[in-house]
Amino acid sequence: RKEVEQDPGPFNVPEGATVAFNCTYSNSASQSFFWYRQDCRKEPKLLMSVYSSGNEDGRFTAQLNRASQYISLLIRDSKLSDSATYLCVVTYALGSARQLTFGSGTQLTVLP
Amino acid sequence: EAQVTQNPRYLITVTGKKLTVTCSQNMNHEYMSWYRQDPGLGLRQIYYSMNVEVTDKGDVPEGYKVSRKEKRNFPLILESPSPNQTSLYFCASSLSIRRERFPYNEQFFGPGTRLTVL
Repeated sequence: RKEVEQDPGPFNVPEGATVAFNCTYSNSASQSFFWYRQDCRKEPKLLMSVYSSGNEDGRFTAQLNRASQYISLLIRDSKLSDSATYLCVVTYALGSARQLTFGSGTQLTVLP
Repeated sequence: EAQVTQNPRYLITVTGKKLTVTCSQNMNHEYMSWYRQDPGLGLRQIYYSMNVEVTDKGDVPEGYKVSRKEKRNFPLILESPSPNQTSLYFCASSLSIRRERFPYNEQFFGPGTRLTVL
């Protein structure tokens, strides 16, 4: 079983739609949670952190459910420019360090 | 401009011919890491380095070597490349990943190196 699992999609949604992605993680000792965005053939970039109380950044809302071990990303009023792959990232303690585990990504295409 | 650079960006080579992919960051970051990305498997860590002269294996280190002689550089070496090492490779860096440093420091990725081994 993968440590971090995401629905690979693709999600094809019309412009203006609301879309949600989930990500589950298996390590209950996971400490920090993030969403990264990766455009086609480009490097991943941090989209937002995910806090226990949930957090918003403009049209993006991230939530964490530690009891069920999943995180979610909600995108409201989708734009064409939101088309990308969204990577769920979880950190866990490894000795004196915190290491990252990446999900395989969920592909989103926003259609005109 | 703060950035992580990788060279080459694209490389086609043949089985067994040693190659090096360079990675350099200009942000004075302690931590550097190499990942490979394959369809359906996501990003998998090859090696990482918490500081100069300190390197450790990630999840898929077989067939790779690294070195960290200087803070800014973290080259990835394939001594004898094989076709199963055909992949998209990313170098990344962050200020630190020490547990006592909070909040977590964002990882910055290089532009990627697309490697094909024939």
